Amino acid sequence: GAVVSQHPSRVICKSGTSVKIECRSLDFQATTMFWYRQFPKQSLMLMATSNEGSKATYEQGVEKDKFLINHASLTLSTLTVTSAHPEDSSFYICSASSGGSTYNEQFFGPGTRLTVL
Amino acid sequence: LAKTTQPISMDSYEGQEVNITCSHNNIATNDYITWYQQFPSQGPRFIIQGYKTKVTNEVASLFIPADRKSSTLSLPRVSLSDTAVYYCLVGAPKAAGNKLTFGGGTRVLVKP
Repeated sequence: GAVVSQHPSRVICKSGTSVKIECRSLDFQATTMFWYRQFPKQSLMLMATSNEGSKATYEQGVEKDKFLINHASLTLSTLTVTSAHPEDSSFYICSASSGGSTYNEQFFGPGTRLTVL
Repeated sequence: LAKTTQPISMDSYEGQEVNITCSHNNIATNDYITWYQQFPSQGPRFIIQGYKTKVTNEVASLFIPADRKSSTLSLPRVSLSDTAVYYCLVGAPKAAGNKLTFGGGTRVLVKP
């Protein structure tokens, strides 16, 4: 149980285009989903937290107009990288929490590798 | 959120026990200690979590001294497939919106 999927697994796009990444909790309802970014050889950096039906909360330094997050249902959150540029190339990982456990365990998706040419 | 300090990297050989110590001097009373494993180009995977003393599951053991200012993840008899980055995280259940803050992690290389 507690499986999280991401789609696509990798995407290559041209500079200036927008890219949408989907994160789904397959066998549980995720009241909260998180989006992380990870550059090569570096740790995960939390970008934003999204709760179903409400606006996402962005971490300091993350442009909310560039990284649009939508959490329309309890099983789906999307991250749209708008007007992508080469510096946005990274590994994007989502995680989901049901909020029902006694501790804040998060289940992570397999990640999406974005390459902007 | 309590900050954690781990060794940057660690080498081992197949069949050996690997122990990774994490320092968290500012751990708060309500904080738990959680360890995640991450393989290249994959999302992190939960390994183990504890509050005090010792916790053991089918994958690893977690040792936490009485002062809780550090913890040690123990991987028994590692294999090549245990080569990964291991992250130690400290945080309180349901606090701060359940946010997790990842530190630098420890890159473990298991050699044949």
